Amino acid sequence: SAVISQKPSRDICQRGTSLTIQCQVDSQVTMMFWYRQQPGQSLTLIATANQGSEATYESGFVIDKFPISRPNLTFSTLTVSNMSPEDSSIYLCSVGRDYYEQYFGPGTRLTVT
Amino acid sequence: KNQVEQSPQSLIILEGKNCTLQCNYTVSPFSNLRWYKQDTGRGPVSLTIMTFSENTKSNGRYTATLDADTKQSSLHITASQLSDSASYICVVSAGGATNKLIFGTGTLLAVQP
Repeated sequence: SAVISQKPSRDICQRGTSLTIQCQVDSQVTMMFWYRQQPGQSLTLIATANQGSEATYESGFVIDKFPISRPNLTFSTLTVSNMSPEDSSIYLCSVGRDYYEQYFGPGTRLTVT
Repeated sequence: KNQVEQSPQSLIILEGKNCTLQCNYTVSPFSNLRWYKQDTGRGPVSLTIMTFSENTKSNGRYTATLDADTKQSSLHITASQLSDSASYICVVSAGGATNKLIFGTGTLLAVQP
C-alpha cells in the first residue's frame, strides 16, 4: 500500500474562484487518479494523471475546468476552476500500479458558496 | 451499461449484531470485485478483493462472497462494533479495453450502542 496525503483537507470557496488540491504519495507510483464524490453519490473518475504527459479525462470532464499537473511520480495537483455551487464535492486522489489496485487519499471536502 | 447496485441504501443495527450487505453488478468483462469501507470524511479503504475464481474472502470480522454466475456479492459483518459505522462500497473492475473501476453508491451502516 501507499501513504497518501491531500491538501487542503477542506475548504470553503466563493463562486467564480479556483482551488488547487495537492496529492502527495510517500513512494513513486505509476498511476494517479482524481475522483469526485458528490453528496450522497458514489465516486466518479475525473481523470488519470500521467507523469510527463497530458492527463486523460473522462467523459463529462474537461481540462479547462479541471486542469491537472503531474510533475513527478509522487505528486499531482487538481485545480477546480471558476467554481460554482455544483462543484461542492469531496475530491479524492488515488494511486496504483494499474486501474485494479488503487489506494485512496483522505479526500478534500470542497464547499462553494 | 456497466452498473453496480447495492442494497440496502442504509442500515441501522445494534452493536454486537451481524449484518449482510448486498451488491449486484452488470459489468462485462469482469476482472475483480472489491469491498471498500469509507468512514465519514475519509477516503475509501479496501477490505477484500475477489477474482472470478474466488467465492469467499475474509478479513477479520468481514467476509465477502462472490457468485460470478449470478453476478452477486455480499459482505457479511460479524459481531458489529461502533467503529463499523461507515459507508460500504462495492467496486467492480471492468477488464479488457475498458479497464476501469465501476463504483456502487454504497450502503450507509450505522451501528448503535
